[in-house]
Amino acid sequence: AQTVTQSQPEMSVQEAETVTLSCTYDTSESDYYLFWYKQPPSRQMILVIRQEAYKQQNATENRFSVNFQKAAKSFSLKISDSQLGDAAMYFCAYNQGGSEKLVFGKGTKLTVNP
Amino acid sequence: EAGVAQSPRYKIIEKRQSVAFWCNPISGHATLYWYQQILGQGPKLLIQFQNNGVVDDSQLPKDRFSAERLKGVDSTLKIQPAKLEDSAVYLCASSPPGQGYEQYFGPGTRLTVT
Repeated sequence: AQTVTQSQPEMSVQEAETVTLSCTYDTSESDYYLFWYKQPPSRQMILVIRQEAYKQQNATENRFSVNFQKAAKSFSLKISDSQLGDAAMYFCAYNQGGSEKLVFGKGTKLTVNP
Repeated sequence: EAGVAQSPRYKIIEKRQSVAFWCNPISGHATLYWYQQILGQGPKLLIQFQNNGVVDDSQLPKDRFSAERLKGVDSTLKIQPAKLEDSAVYLCASSPPGQGYEQYFGPGTRLTVT
């Protein structure tokens, strides 16, 4: 079974600084997707960024970018120019190609200090 | 485009009582998911529907949980009788058919069992 591990229960960053959240996963498949979701206190899960495993280029969405290391099964999220509104729980998730099931990690709580 | 709707947002019940949650997916999304998110953990899939048929309910505690999706649109998740360990956030998500990598989440229902 696929597993997703987030080894940092909590992280903090100063406003305007850069922070990196770590995620590793375990799979024997070659076709899959990886995601980072943001969950603020309102509980709404918001998709931050998605990476297709077959793409070598790292995905970017404005201030958010990933470092996808397929051989190492690592998928970290970098947040640049951190803003107070970035404070939330961040979840790494995996979806096997051909399946519709998402497998989530336990999350990392990000605090942004003014 | 309206998002995934859920109600109620909060519910407090005593153990052994019953409770029901409602979800209305995004229009046109054939696939609907119910996730359970216990405090401090990532969401866990309980059940997945494709139209009004069940695709995956392997992690649904069937002795107390039930779910239906009549007419392939709205869905209801029921717990009867509730236990203390059922305290969690229940998230509903939907996606276009065959696109589990495009899941959109509702705001969730926070259930507290006392």
